[in-house]
Amino acid sequence: GAGVSQSPRYKVAKRGQDVALRCDPISGHVSLFWYQQALGQGPEFLTYFQNEAQLDKSGLPSDRFFAERPEGSVSTLKIQRTQQEDSAVYLCASSLATSGGANTGELFFGEGSRLTVL
Amino acid sequence: GESVGLHLPTLSVQEGDNSIINCAYSNSASDYFIWYKQESGKGPQFIIDIRSNMDKRQGQRVTVLLNKTVKHLSLQIAATQPGDSAVYFCAENTGGFKTIFGAGTRLFVKA
Repeated sequence: GAGVSQSPRYKVAKRGQDVALRCDPISGHVSLFWYQQALGQGPEFLTYFQNEAQLDKSGLPSDRFFAERPEGSVSTLKIQRTQQEDSAVYLCASSLATSGGANTGELFFGEGSRLTVL
Repeated sequence: GESVGLHLPTLSVQEGDNSIINCAYSNSASDYFIWYKQESGKGPQFIIDIRSNMDKRQGQRVTVLLNKTVKHLSLQIAATQPGDSAVYFCAENTGGFKTIFGAGTRLFVKA
C-alpha cells in the first residue's frame, strides 16, 4: 500500500481480555515504531524494530505488552489482560532510515488503532 | 533527561495571519528536531525538520527557528489557512532511533 496501515481502527475490549493490534509498514521500510497516545497527549514511545530485531522495548508499560515483527515487515502489538489505563490510540510508524531519524528524520505514521477498555 | 514541552496548549489565529507555535526542550544533547501536524483521527504527519547546526530552515509557508542557547524551537506558519487547524507537536531526537514528542499545541484558525 501507499502508506502505513493499521488494524483494527477501533477496538473495544472488556477488562481482562487480550487484544492484538496489527501494523503494515511501508514496503521496504527497515524501521518500525509503536507509540501510545493518550487523549490530549503527545505520542509516547513504546518500542522499536530494525527489521525483525526488537532493539528497544524500554517504553512498554508492563510485561502485559508484547510486540513482534517476525519477518521484518508486519508487526503486531499484543496487550494481555487489558486494563482501563491501556485505553489509548496506538500508533505505528515506519521509517526508511535505520537509525529512525538520522537521514530524512521522517516517521510515516498510520492512522492508529483506538483501544477502549471497559 | 529527555523532555520536550510546549509553552501554550492552544492557539487561535485569524485566517490569513501568521501563526507561531513555540516549544522548549531540556536535553542539550538533542541534535535533531522535527515538527509534526496531527489532524483529528489521523496519525502525525511530518512538516519540517532542523538539525542543531542550523538556526533556521524554511519550507512551503513554514519556517522553523532553533535557538540552542535557550533551548527553544518555534514553528511559524505564514498566511494561516483553515486547513492548518490541527495539533502541532515538536519532537526531538538525540541521534538515535527514539523520537520524543512534546504534548502538543492545538491551532484553531478562525475564518
